[in-house]
Amino acid sequence: AQTVTQSQPEMSVQEAETVTLSCTYDTSESNYYLFWYKQPPSRQMILVIRQEAYKQQNATENRFSVNFQKAAKSFSLKISDSQLGDTAMYFCAFMKLTTSGTYKYIFGTGTRLKVLA
Amino acid sequence: DTAVSQTPKYLVTQMGNDKSIKCEQNLGHDTMYWYKQDSKKFLKIMFSYNNKELIINETVPNRFSPKSPDKAHLNLHINSLELGDSAVYFCASSHVYGQRYGYTFGSGTRLTVV
Repeated sequence: AQTVTQSQPEMSVQEAETVTLSCTYDTSESNYYLFWYKQPPSRQMILVIRQEAYKQQNATENRFSVNFQKAAKSFSLKISDSQLGDTAMYFCAFMKLTTSGTYKYIFGTGTRLKVLA
Repeated sequence: DTAVSQTPKYLVTQMGNDKSIKCEQNLGHDTMYWYKQDSKKFLKIMFSYNNKELIINETVPNRFSPKSPDKAHLNLHINSLELGDSAVYFCASSHVYGQRYGYTFGSGTRLTVV
């Protein structure tokens, strides 16, 4: 069974600094998709970044980038120049194809990030 | 314009009651989902519908019954509510061929059973 592990329940970072959130996953599939979602106190789930497993190049979206290590099954999120608005729960998610031909997420347990002024 | 809207945002009810949560999306997506986030923030899929057809039904008690009158709506009806049903329920949508690009989530419905 696929699992997603986020080993850091809570983290904090000073404003303008860089922080890295870790995520590891377990799968026997060769093609899959990985995501980071942000959930601020408003509760809204916001897609931060995605990575396709067959692409070696790490995805980047503005201040957010990933370090995707397929062999190690690791998918960490780096937030550069942290801003107060980055304070949120961050969920790592693995997307798998089901037997019905559709996709579903397997989510990690989340990392609560607090950006300090 | 809200892309995926859920109503109500908060729902407090007594054990044994029956309640519904409504979800509507205006993105033209053909696939909709219900996810449950428990008190420890763990998110897990409950159901998925594609063009009004149920395609994913996880091991959810049959007190939970999704209904999709059309591809823009997916409602969740819960019978005989129990304390353990307290959670945040998220509706989401995507194109069936665009699922791997991610979903658009609603803002969630916090259900509290007392």
